[in-house]
Amino acid sequence: QSALTQPASVSGSPGQSITISCTGTSSDVGGYDYVSWYQQHPGKAPKLMIYEVAHRPSGVSNRFSGSKSGKTASLTISGLQAEDEADYFCSSYTSSATVVFGGGTRLTVL
Amino acid sequence: QLQLQESGPGLVKPSETLSLACSVSGDSISSSSYYWGWIRQPPGRGLEWIANLYYGGTSYYNPSLKSRVTLSVNTSKNQFSLKLSSVTAADTAVYYCASGLRITPWALGDWGQGTLVTVSS
Repeated sequence: QSALTQPASVSGSPGQSITISCTGTSSDVGGYDYVSWYQQHPGKAPKLMIYEVAHRPSGVSNRFSGSKSGKTASLTISGLQAEDEADYFCSSYTSSATVVFGGGTRLTVL
Repeated sequence: QLQLQESGPGLVKPSETLSLACSVSGDSISSSSYYWGWIRQPPGRGLEWIANLYYGGTSYYNPSLKSRVTLSVNTSKNQFSLKLSSVTAADTAVYYCASGLRITPWALGDWGQGTLVTVSS
């Protein structure tokens, strides 16, 4: 299974909005609404931010939102804050009953 | 919210078997509410899914690792475990255990802190 495709890096200034894309195939992102997004700060474990494309777990800020169009899922962070600076990974269920992650995107808050 | 904690050797020799345990607190490992997962992250790289385990049910594996992976559950210790055989330097990584809710499958909501396993002679 091939990793989902994410941009290596994105950046934005405090208060701005950014969007991170996650592109797969019809066998994963395009075929199922089981896309998740994880935030990982350096040296820490990943934290679930979005599940099933657009749902936020309890306690996650509503500045984080998810969406999907065709084979591409997106994570949008609005009102960017310094604490949002981290690595972000998408994941998807696949037609082989497995999970595939994206390569990760480093978000820099300028 | 569950608490998970990985344990096991931090150094494994090439060709040997990597063995890790994940201790769960906050609910029973046999609870029908959860499933259990293993994920790893080579130093400076991205996440790689290893496997998901449903207590009393099916397990799902990364096809690239399936032939070398063994999952098990120890209800008396409220732990689940991972064994990865015939390791090489490419298996050097931080290994995470995690849990997810069965009603929201394929999303891992609680994670252990991770444990670094180095494969070296």
